Amino acid sequence: GAGVSQTPSNKVTEKGKYVELRCDPISGHTALYWYRQSLGQGPEFLIYFQGTGAADDSGLPNDRFFAVRPEGSVSTLKIQRTERGDSAVYLCASSLTYREKAFFGQGTRLTVV
Amino acid sequence: TQLLEQSPQFLSIQEGENLTVYCNSSSVFSSLQWYRQEPGEGPVLLVTVVTGGEVKKLKRLTFQFGDARKDSSLHITAAQPGDTGLYLCAGPPPGDYKLSFGAGTTVTVRA
Repeated sequence: GAGVSQTPSNKVTEKGKYVELRCDPISGHTALYWYRQSLGQGPEFLIYFQGTGAADDSGLPNDRFFAVRPEGSVSTLKIQRTERGDSAVYLCASSLTYREKAFFGQGTRLTVV
Repeated sequence: TQLLEQSPQFLSIQEGENLTVYCNSSSVFSSLQWYRQEPGEGPVLLVTVVTGGEVKKLKRLTFQFGDARKDSSLHITAAQPGDTGLYLCAGPPPGDYKLSFGAGTTVTVRA
């Protein structure tokens, strides 16, 4: 596609539910990043994939968060037992390689009620 | 504690005025990036500065990297309503490659 695509754009879920957020990176980009942006804050790093493997997951806040990229393209961020504090905009970005310019998607706004 | 501190947090000016936003750190960065983010969108990279003292211009936007590579500024000349947005600075902390973002400056340019 022309840019990084994230679905859904908005997700409202009840506390305790499981959610999946999807990211379609730019075709051919091997590096993929997930960030979380809370209101009034800049994006915070969550996890970085190089190809299919999670090269760095040091930003994941706890074991309720997990992400996969099984074929080195589309990635899914999975959040179990959601909490109200998980409410934020989840941003995905991709780049040709990990030090190249990163392009961000429009984000998924997650609201946990 | 944010590694990159941005100021001011909010800035509202009239069309045609100039403005400057700042990005400061106590750490030395190998490079700093500036992004603009509009509501409902992801950040869009404007520029990367890599050399201490470097000045880069992008139309009416002037970016400067401090000599010691601990700070940067973004100056907009004759601001237009289309310049409205959240301006973020970001850079890889010392010894790291991942981007650390500041909290941003929300700029509103009134017509």
